[in-house]
Amino acid sequence: GENVEQHPSTLSVQEGDSAVIKCTYSDSASNYFPWYKQELGKRPQLIIDIRSNVGEKKDQRIAVTLNKTAKHFSLHITETQPEDSAVYFCAATLGYDKIIFGKGTRLHILP
Amino acid sequence: GAVVSQHPSWVICKSGTSVKIECRSLDFQATTMFWYRQFPKQSLMLMATSNEGSKATYEQGVEKDKFLINHASLTLSTLTVTSAHPEDSSFYICSARGSGRANEQFFGPGTRLTVL
Repeated sequence: GENVEQHPSTLSVQEGDSAVIKCTYSDSASNYFPWYKQELGKRPQLIIDIRSNVGEKKDQRIAVTLNKTAKHFSLHITETQPEDSAVYFCAATLGYDKIIFGKGTRLHILP
Repeated sequence: GAVVSQHPSWVICKSGTSVKIECRSLDFQATTMFWYRQFPKQSLMLMATSNEGSKATYEQGVEKDKFLINHASLTLSTLTVTSAHPEDSSFYICSARGSGRANEQFFGPGTRLTVL
């Protein structure tokens, strides 16, 4: 089955700087990689996703890159703002299969 | 579109009682629903996958007799925690996926269960 590793577990960056969170997956057949942001006591919110036929996707300050050969994918947040502070989860799935989550990264944006 | 609701949003119960949590897809038909459990400062752990009209598939280590899942209609799935104990206290989140929507899952707002 699929296994997703996520690093770092905690990340502190100065407001305005960039944040990068990295994940690896084990099942080379996985074809969908969503990223979720979760605030305390709330549901996970999909912030960006990428499919295996694409290497990079960008949405304003958020971008995701995928390296299928290395089975790596990363989340990049530029010009970080206080409201970016939250827990971020990467995930991987195949078709109609279940989504497997990484362990999460707690992002702190420092003033 | 793609709204999922959960009820109740929080519940406190005594040890030994049973608690039912409902998950509803409000504007689409959910052929598959997933139930997750999340302990404080941890990731979402998949408990089970349920397809409408069939028995749920439980993940390894999840007791099917303790966590009863019913997915009797295309818009409703329920999770019943039977004989709840303090260690069952957690945040329970459902997600739903419609037919023809490969990959996409839509999450409910979660239910905070506290067992005294």
